[in-house]
Amino acid sequence: KAGVTQTPRYLIKTRGQQVTLSCSPISGHRSVSWYQQTPGQGLQFLFEYFSETQRNKGNFPGRFSGRQFSNSRSEMNVSTLELGDSALYLCASSLGARIDPGANVLTFGAGSRLTVL
Amino acid sequence: AQKITQTQPGMFVQEKEAVTLDCTYDTSDPSYGLFWYKQPSSGEMIFLIYQGSYDQQNATEGRYSLNFQKARKSANLVISASQLGDSAMYFCAIGVPRYGNQFYFGTGTSLTVIP
Repeated sequence: KAGVTQTPRYLIKTRGQQVTLSCSPISGHRSVSWYQQTPGQGLQFLFEYFSETQRNKGNFPGRFSGRQFSNSRSEMNVSTLELGDSALYLCASSLGARIDPGANVLTFGAGSRLTVL
Repeated sequence: AQKITQTQPGMFVQEKEAVTLDCTYDTSDPSYGLFWYKQPSSGEMIFLIYQGSYDQQNATEGRYSLNFQKARKSANLVISASQLGDSAMYFCAIGVPRYGNQFYFGTGTSLTVIP
């Protein structure tokens, strides 16, 4: 059973550019969540998509956006990059059930490490 | 709002010994799940163990067990018979289904296993 696949694994951008990260969830998982991990702020929730709809959003500026396709694959985009956007971006998939917490175990990908110069 | 507190930035344990990583949480919602994840230096978050708020018994998964004390709002991870491969960052997280799939993570504990 294939895990969560994130591409690219590493990328370097300059301030003002934009970046698109991709995430392919585990087959059968309809929920995809994105997290940003930095040494200073730790793991912070960006947003969650379920069946192509954004179901929840964290406290990030509008430069951070995402979408989900009909096959549950998801992309996130960061426009007008800033130095502070340098981070490990983690994607996680789950069944997305809202009743049983145990059904919401997040399976993470290896992450996309973004460096902004 | 939900909150996770991990007060141990770093821990050391001798190989083959047991170690307890602390986690306290705060939520006003009666239905929630508590999760522990391991993050090696490679970066990938690996799920270890889950405890539901209504579960009567402490969760166990192989060498991992969760010491769940609901009244104290604590969910400590116990790793028995530590191995060198256990050296990693460990994160405690809470999820409240009513708010979707948004997990709140603690700041993590860095565990080093000494041979």
